[in-house]
Amino acid sequence: GAGVSQTPSNKVTEKGKYVELRCDPISGHTALYWYRQSLGQGPEFLIYFQGTGAADDSGLPNDRFFAVRPEGSVSTLKIQRTERGDSAVYLCASSLPLLAAQPSSSYNEQFFGPGTRLTVL
Amino acid sequence: AQSVTQLGSHVSVSEGALVLLRCNYSSSVPPYLFWYVQYPNQGLQLLLKYTSAATLVKGINGFEAEFKKSETSFHLTKPSAHMSDAAEYFCAVSDRDDKIIFGKGTRLHILP
Repeated sequence: GAGVSQTPSNKVTEKGKYVELRCDPISGHTALYWYRQSLGQGPEFLIYFQGTGAADDSGLPNDRFFAVRPEGSVSTLKIQRTERGDSAVYLCASSLPLLAAQPSSSYNEQFFGPGTRLTVL
Repeated sequence: AQSVTQLGSHVSVSEGALVLLRCNYSSSVPPYLFWYVQYPNQGLQLLLKYTSAATLVKGINGFEAEFKKSETSFHLTKPSAHMSDAAEYFCAVSDRDDKIIFGKGTRLHILP
């Protein structure tokens, strides 16, 4: 079946502009995560959705970053007044929700998309 | 707070030699531990995971890792390196249903 898809694959913008990055999760995955991977670093968590609501947005670096998931499927990461330091690969991941009845050894894998490479000039 | 430390940003091994990538973790709760691989210009792929079952975990492509609570380690090994193993490897930790915390990564180089 189809995996997580992200569009665009590459985005070049100028400092101060607004950008939107899109993530299409795997069908049926109610959990969706955004991560950011700067050059030479591991991915860093930004925000986590369970359904339509943001369950944890503690990783968003400042109020220029915002994400939505209005219908509980596709998510859009929005960055206002972009800065050169925002240049990175933005990764999206999705997973099935854990059920309370599942044993503690259960873990629902997060499946990652190919990412969007954002370059701010 | 959870964290992982990967020792060595670059590791080089000869083809056919043992691969050992080191990872130490910090967690206040029983951790879920992972190794991910990222090939050039490709997305992240899960190699293996530890979820409180067997401490020796076998993954894809002949890799395995052992959870050692006393050492807070989760080192990744492969008995015999292949040229196709050249990639970036990330150790990571998570709660059961939560964000993943990644290490900074180790780039594995395979020497012919």
